[in-house]
Amino acid sequence: AQSVTQPDIHITVSEGASLELRCNYSYGATPYLFWYVQSPGQGLQLLLKYFSGDTLVQGIKGFEAEFKRSQSSFNLRKPSVHWSDAAEYFCAVGTMNRDDKIIFGKGTRLHILP
Amino acid sequence: DTEVTQTPKHLVMGMTNKKSLKCEQHMGHRAMYWYKQKAKKPPELMFVYSYEKLSINESVPSRFSPECPNSSLLNLHLHALQPEDSALYLCASSLRQLGGELFFGEGSRLTVL
Repeated sequence: AQSVTQPDIHITVSEGASLELRCNYSYGATPYLFWYVQSPGQGLQLLLKYFSGDTLVQGIKGFEAEFKRSQSSFNLRKPSVHWSDAAEYFCAVGTMNRDDKIIFGKGTRLHILP
Repeated sequence: DTEVTQTPKHLVMGMTNKKSLKCEQHMGHRAMYWYKQKAKKPPELMFVYSYEKLSINESVPSRFSPECPNSSLLNLHLHALQPEDSALYLCASSLRQLGGELFFGEGSRLTVL
């Protein structure tokens, strides 16, 4: 079965600064990888996904992520954050096995300083 | 239409009540999911329906009873809940149950008194 780790519970960055949120996964084959964002009291919105192909994935709201097989990582980046990016970010991993479920990391809370 | 719609948005119920949460999608997705999310935690999978059949039950207590009347609708029937069942209940759908991305609704905030 697969697993996913988000090492940072909280991250604080200044508005306009760059951002990187870390995600590490464990799975024997190439997984499906996702980043979701959740604002307080809201559902989860898909930012981007990786299934195969180009390892640098572009998403919505100016986010991108890079799949690095050698490091089992799928880190999320944004060159310049906006105050509206303050939210909870979840990395998730899925597989091609029908009975496997998508596993979510514990999440990283992003705080933005004005 | 790329939305998953959940009703009600908020629900308060006593421990002896019977209520239902509803979820609807019109994206042609054939897999639908119920998740439970406590504050500051990731979503926890409860049930998965694939082609209207229950595919995964994550050992959820019987006071939660899912139902999938058709490919667009998913219900969660609630009976004799406990205060610790208070949480945000999220519905999601995906094209198929094969690791594809999940599309989430806004959730139903449940409070059990």
